[in-house]
Amino acid sequence: GAGVSQSPRYKVAKRGQDVALRCDPISGHVSLFWYQQALGQGPEFLTYFQNEAQLDKSGLPSDRFFAERPEGSVSTLKIQRTQQEDSAVYLCASSLELGGRNQPQHFGDGTRLSIL
Amino acid sequence: QKEVEQNSGPLSVPEGAIASLNCTYSDRGSQSFFWYRQYSGKSPELIMFIYSNGDKEDGRFTAQLNKASQYVSLLIRDSQPSDSATYLCAVTLRTGGFKTIFGAGTRLFVKA
Repeated sequence: GAGVSQSPRYKVAKRGQDVALRCDPISGHVSLFWYQQALGQGPEFLTYFQNEAQLDKSGLPSDRFFAERPEGSVSTLKIQRTQQEDSAVYLCASSLELGGRNQPQHFGDGTRLSIL
Repeated sequence: QKEVEQNSGPLSVPEGAIASLNCTYSDRGSQSFFWYRQYSGKSPELIMFIYSNGDKEDGRFTAQLNKASQYVSLLIRDSQPSDSATYLCAVTLRTGGFKTIFGAGTRLFVKA
């Protein structure tokens, strides 16, 4: 596709349920990022993939958060046993890497997660 | 101290004026610097990126980077009401891969 696609756009879950958020990056983009954005704040880094390798997961807030990108394309962010503080917009971004530098990131429309 | 700091604003400027947005960062290993614009309820969109010290101009936008002072700025000339948005400063660190840290954003209002 032409841009980064995320699904679902909106997700409502009860506390304690597991959720899975999907990201389909721009074709050919090596780098993929997940962010969490609370209302009125900037995006908070969660994790980074280079192709299928998860090279940085330092931003994942707890072991309830898990991300994968098994074939180096589509990525899934899974949150187990959701808590109310997990309510936020989850953004996915992808980018090229050139000359050892991270190039500008292209963002999807995000998934707005609400935990009741 | 936050890794990337911005004045939250709001910054209010009249139409046609220059808007100046500032950002400081704490990690001297930062290698890439970005400005994104975010309208309410929308995802961030790239405005400018800069890698080296100095100025970089693109239309009405100029990004300035001073690595010695750990300071990045964005100037918007001839500000338009459509420029009213939140402007996010982002810095990428080289870790095992790349880690991008965003500031909390500066809200800009351009008054017609």
